[in-house]
Amino acid sequence: DSGVTQTPKHLITATGQRVTLRCSPRSGDLSVYWYQQSLDQGLQFLIQYYNGEERAKGNILERFSAQQFPDLHSELNLSSLELGDSALYFCASSEGLAGGDTGELFFGEGSRLTVL
Amino acid sequence: DAKTTQPPSMDCAEGRAANLPCNHSTISGNEYVYWYRQIHSQGPQYIIHGLKNNETNEMASLIITEDRKSSTLILPHATLRDTAVYYCIVRPRISGGGADGLTFGKGTHLIIQP
Repeated sequence: DSGVTQTPKHLITATGQRVTLRCSPRSGDLSVYWYQQSLDQGLQFLIQYYNGEERAKGNILERFSAQQFPDLHSELNLSSLELGDSALYFCASSEGLAGGDTGELFFGEGSRLTVL
Repeated sequence: DAKTTQPPSMDCAEGRAANLPCNHSTISGNEYVYWYRQIHSQGPQYIIHGLKNNETNEMASLIITEDRKSSTLILPHATLRDTAVYYCIVRPRISGGGADGLTFGKGTHLIIQP
């Protein structure tokens, strides 16, 4: 158990819809990262937040957005969903900006999104 | 733009040492080598990291060549639960105001055979 909680674990929706994935980081961790893992793309870094502010952006589509709230939980919003958005979405957290002393990121168990 | 090269798959017998190689010939002086693993559809898990010295923890050992262009992750006594995809990642050790996300390649699918 990494201490990172993601909900929902599974989500099935239709094309064109919008969904929100939620992540609660480990207690005390200020950084939250979002990753997408699809069969053909592997693990792709989407975005990072640190203490409520966006700090780094990866391959995140304009249809996707994220935010980190004052209590440090984070949400990833996916809109105008397409079949290709079906994937596992992972959240990770770390102590500081880049993983504290070890550079370690702690990953949640993921949210599996299926778009039909 | 891959910074590391790993074999796509490897087999190892249960109870034997599993040695997973990684080439990172373009590694910079300030870049560390990190290893993570992902057991089927679970979240990736940190294993170990190092700069230039060999490192050991309760999970594994990391051997980095003197020129730092390659490394080997060693699982000393592999068990069936070690079957996973193992990712070798190079990244700068960032402190202060730096921030980034880990860049995962395709990794090595290690299969432990009973």
